[in-house]
Amino acid sequence: QKEVEQNSGPLSVPEGAIASLNCTYSDRGSQSFFWYRQYSGKSPELIMSIYSNGDKEDGRFTAQLNKASQYVSLLIRDSQPSDSATYLCAVNGRDSNYQLIWGAGTKLIIKP
Amino acid sequence: DGGITQSPKYLFRKEGQNVTLSCEQNLNHDAMYWYRQDPGQGLRLIYYSQIVNDFQKGDIAEGYSVSREKKESFPLTVTSAQKNPTAFYLCASSILSANTEAFFGQGTRLTVV
Repeated sequence: QKEVEQNSGPLSVPEGAIASLNCTYSDRGSQSFFWYRQYSGKSPELIMSIYSNGDKEDGRFTAQLNKASQYVSLLIRDSQPSDSATYLCAVNGRDSNYQLIWGAGTKLIIKP
Repeated sequence: DGGITQSPKYLFRKEGQNVTLSCEQNLNHDAMYWYRQDPGQGLRLIYYSQIVNDFQKGDIAEGYSVSREKKESFPLTVTSAQKNPTAFYLCASSILSANTEAFFGQGTRLTVV
């Protein structure tokens, strides 16, 4: 059973601080990794994708991938109250028949 | 605009009734998916389809049925056999690749009354 694990939270972070969200996955053949943000009552929206080891930065967001440790993370710098949402990690593997395998999500709360 | 359209946004079902949720995409994606999300939970795969006239069960297919007669359309029927259908239903699509993300519709919230 291929799995993607996330801490369900809630993770509470002060406004302006760095929020760090973590995700581990079980399939060593996984090739692509995605972070989605989901506001309450809304559908998930893609915020970051990463395919190779290292860091990828996009504005206030940085995705980090370590395939050896089977670990992917999302850093949000200068956290804003509008970042309060549930963050879903998704992994697409060579052996997953092109399907995304989803984590259960981490609820992030940014406190003003 | 390209995208995925789900309808209706809200749906109410009486006990013992079948209801159908619509999902249409104009992204020319081969793959389409239906997920169920319960409050505070992640996404659970109900059914998926990678080609017209073919579909596969996901992790929680019991009580649901789908069809894929056209590439653009993937409707989901919640049958009376689904005993606890109240949930948020999400339709998604993607191209068939190991390096592609899924795109979502706005969701349908189904409530049993």
